[in-house]
Amino acid sequence: GAVVSQHPSWVICKSGTSVKIECRSLDFQATTMFWYRQFPKQSLMLMATSNEGSKATYEQGVEKDKFLINHASLTLSTLTVTSAHPEDSSFYICSASGRLRAFFGQGTRLTVV
Amino acid sequence: DAKTTQPTSMDCAEGRAANLPCNHSTISGNEYVYWYRQIHSQGPQYIIHGLKNNETNEMASLIITEDRKSSTLILPHATLRDTAVYYCIVRPRSNDYKLSFGAGTTVTVRA
Repeated sequence: GAVVSQHPSWVICKSGTSVKIECRSLDFQATTMFWYRQFPKQSLMLMATSNEGSKATYEQGVEKDKFLINHASLTLSTLTVTSAHPEDSSFYICSASGRLRAFFGQGTRLTVV
Repeated sequence: DAKTTQPTSMDCAEGRAANLPCNHSTISGNEYVYWYRQIHSQGPQYIIHGLKNNETNEMASLIITEDRKSSTLILPHATLRDTAVYYCIVRPRSNDYKLSFGAGTTVTVRA
């Protein structure tokens, strides 16, 4: 079946630095990908819609200058958390629109210290 | 998108069938019912989806009521590895898989 891969699986960074998370669709092309964030004991919250070749669409309350999304190819979307702070520590998950369903990556655990 | 209501949690015995209910009373005619599950610290995993007919695959069965206002996901023989949070999601056909997750049902399978 279709596979979506995220990298890295986990990352620890210092406060004030930037972190890039990659989301790849390995065996299909995805014009649309989505980025979610999940805090402990909470559900997934949609952050933004990543569109290949155009600007991302952000959900209300999500700072587009802090969470930079680039979708430069049909198989890769990246999320960069800029000037990360401890409150950005979370589980970040991407999904790609495939045939008949959304396929999710395995998630990236970000810890900002 | 139509909202869904699920029980917060449920326990089931290993080897027995697990029946997970979902209420989606405001569902419209072009909206599908999708089920995903999330095992701890992993991304969601697709289980099954349907429009109005009952569906079955290698993982589960989906029973949708005739009025489409509710559905039940059936795991026929639950195993310990089925312990997860199960999400029932309603998605419009034209939505491009932008999924809205509720709180889901935390299912604990006990030996």
